[in-house]
Amino acid sequence: GIQVEQSPPDLILQEGANSTLRCNFSDSVNNLQWFHQNPWGQLINLFYIPSGTKQNGRLSATTVATERYSLLYISSSQTTDSGVYFCAVEGTGRRALTFGSGTRLQVQP
Amino acid sequence: GAVVSQHPSRVICKSGTSVKIECRSLDFQATTMFWYRQFPKQSLMLMATSNEGSKATYEQGVEKDKFLINHASLTLSTLTVTSAHPEDSSFYICSARRVGVEQYFGPGTRLTVT
Repeated sequence: GIQVEQSPPDLILQEGANSTLRCNFSDSVNNLQWFHQNPWGQLINLFYIPSGTKQNGRLSATTVATERYSLLYISSSQTTDSGVYFCAVEGTGRRALTFGSGTRLQVQP
Repeated sequence: GAVVSQHPSRVICKSGTSVKIECRSLDFQATTMFWYRQFPKQSLMLMATSNEGSKATYEQGVEKDKFLINHASLTLSTLTVTSAHPEDSSFYICSARRVGVEQYFGPGTRLTVT
């Protein structure tokens, strides 16, 4: 099946710093989503982005499908951004999402 | 927006008993729902795909007789953990696929088997 790798696995930032999270995938995809899992376990949809670039406030994402990677940018980080960020993809011919191992972000005041 | 609910949010049961978890799409119809399991500090692993009106499709290594899935309507899927054991303790999360492709996730159910 499709493989999804995320980097870095852990990231510690000072409040106000910027960061880039990366997601590499091994095959063509129909769907790519970024999620933030909060401390209570809820997955928050950040972006549905199988290709192209999107922005939502301090967050933006870019997927280059031909090169099989996606990037999530967080600018001016806040302590509330802490948590685990997951990239998940849906390969062609499969309707379920395959998750990467996540990036655990800690933003310190 | 698209909202998916799960009930209960937390359950403690004794070894050997069964537990049912409900997943509902509140403001959209979902022909396909998914059940995932997440162990502490790990990623989400797909357990099964639930299709309205037909049998669920289970991932390799997931016992279909132990994890019973029913998708009786376009807004409700249930997961029943039968004869639960301590190793079944985990965080169970459902998702629903809206028309198109994007998936939305429920808040999860934390199961503890004593």
